[in-house]
Amino acid sequence: GQNIDQPTEMTATEGAIVQINCTYQTSGFNGLFWYQQHAGEAPTFLSYNVLDGLEEKGRFSSFLSRSKGYSYLLLKELQMKDSASYLCAVRDSNYQLIWGAGTKLIIKP
Amino acid sequence: DVKVTQSSRYLVKRTGEKVFLECVQDMDHENMFWYRQDPGLGLRLIYFSYDVKMKEKGDIPEGYSVSREKKERFSLILESASTNQTSMYLCASSLRTGLFEQYFGPGTRLTVT
Repeated sequence: GQNIDQPTEMTATEGAIVQINCTYQTSGFNGLFWYQQHAGEAPTFLSYNVLDGLEEKGRFSSFLSRSKGYSYLLLKELQMKDSASYLCAVRDSNYQLIWGAGTKLIIKP
Repeated sequence: DVKVTQSSRYLVKRTGEKVFLECVQDMDHENMFWYRQDPGLGLRLIYFSYDVKMKEKGDIPEGYSVSREKKERFSLILESASTNQTSMYLCASSLRTGLFEQYFGPGTRLTVT
């Protein structure tokens, strides 16, 4: 079957760095997405990786290793507004998105 | 900016009622999706549509139907609501099939009593 694994919850301190991991087993691979979802709101697109390596976008970076079925989202200089759930999703061979359950990130002052 | 709107943020219905959830996008996207989101589970695809009047079943279509009569509008129908359909329903759209991200509406929290 298809499976996306991410930690359920993480806690970090304002100003610090946090890494949220995502491992996947899917039928085919056509890219990996990270979305941010604040409580009670819609998910919003953060990043997309289709080739191995690191994609940097401001304070957020996303890394992909296709051979290991692994990705991480790196958040630097954490701010209180970064408190949210972070969803990992993989596009499979049918171009359908398979979603992880999300990682709830709690930022403490 | 892409805007995806949903007809209601909160909805309370009784068991057995017919429920309509409406979704509208304003960016001429070809693809539209309906998901449900439950605690501890990833987003689960109910139905999607890649063109007007076209629909495809997702992972959990049982108990649901959809309608897409116009490109910008995608409706989810619960023919006879049941308590296990209490959930957050999210609509999304993407430009077309392929390597395009999905844009989400604000969601409808449906409670069936």
